Amino acid sequence: GENVEQHPSTLSVQEGDSAVIKCTYSDSASNYFPWYKQELGKRPQLIIDIRSNVGEKKDQRIAVTLNKTAKHFSLHITETQPEDSAVYFCAAIPGGSASKIIFGSGTRLSIRP
Amino acid sequence: DAGVTQSPTHLIKTRGQQVTLRCSPKSGHDTVSWYQQALGQGPQFIFQYYEEEERQRGNFPDRFSGHQFPNYSSELNVNALLLGDSALYLCASSFYRVHYGYTFGSGTRLTVV
Repeated sequence: GENVEQHPSTLSVQEGDSAVIKCTYSDSASNYFPWYKQELGKRPQLIIDIRSNVGEKKDQRIAVTLNKTAKHFSLHITETQPEDSAVYFCAAIPGGSASKIIFGSGTRLSIRP
Repeated sequence: DAGVTQSPTHLIKTRGQQVTLRCSPKSGHDTVSWYQQALGQGPQFIFQYYEEEERQRGNFPDRFSGHQFPNYSSELNVNALLLGDSALYLCASSFYRVHYGYTFGSGTRLTVV
């Protein structure tokens, strides 16, 4: 069935270092891959997304890569800052009309000062 | 504010009771999806409403039901509450014809005691 696996579940990095979160999806029909940041008690916020016809996308300190053949996609955060501490979710959405979002299990990112 | 609004923000119910949660979509959106987020987990898709009909449903029992009104707002009803129904319930709105551009509400925190 439809599934998104996300690793690691927790990640602690020194401020200024890079963080990488990896995800794998199962549904070949998925062609849109958003990443969400969720702070404690708040709504998921879209931070970056990528479509299947693109291999990489960058927005300032955040980048996402997609390997559609391997069904892998990753989030890269460079020059991490304390405000990057949160839970990050990868997700996959099949193509076509508005469809359900299949979320990964989340990665709790902590930035050490 | 033209974002997604949910009510109430917090709710405490007793096992066996029934609950109704409400969602008003972002201005211009026509589709509402509901997600359940248990503590420490990723959101799980419950169902999606468009044109006042349930269009997709996740792996949730019939105790979970919904409705969409002509103004696109939506309700989520849960009957015969179980302790395991305790979670953050998120509403997301979107355009039915596209599979991106989802906007999440802040959620309703339901506690079943």
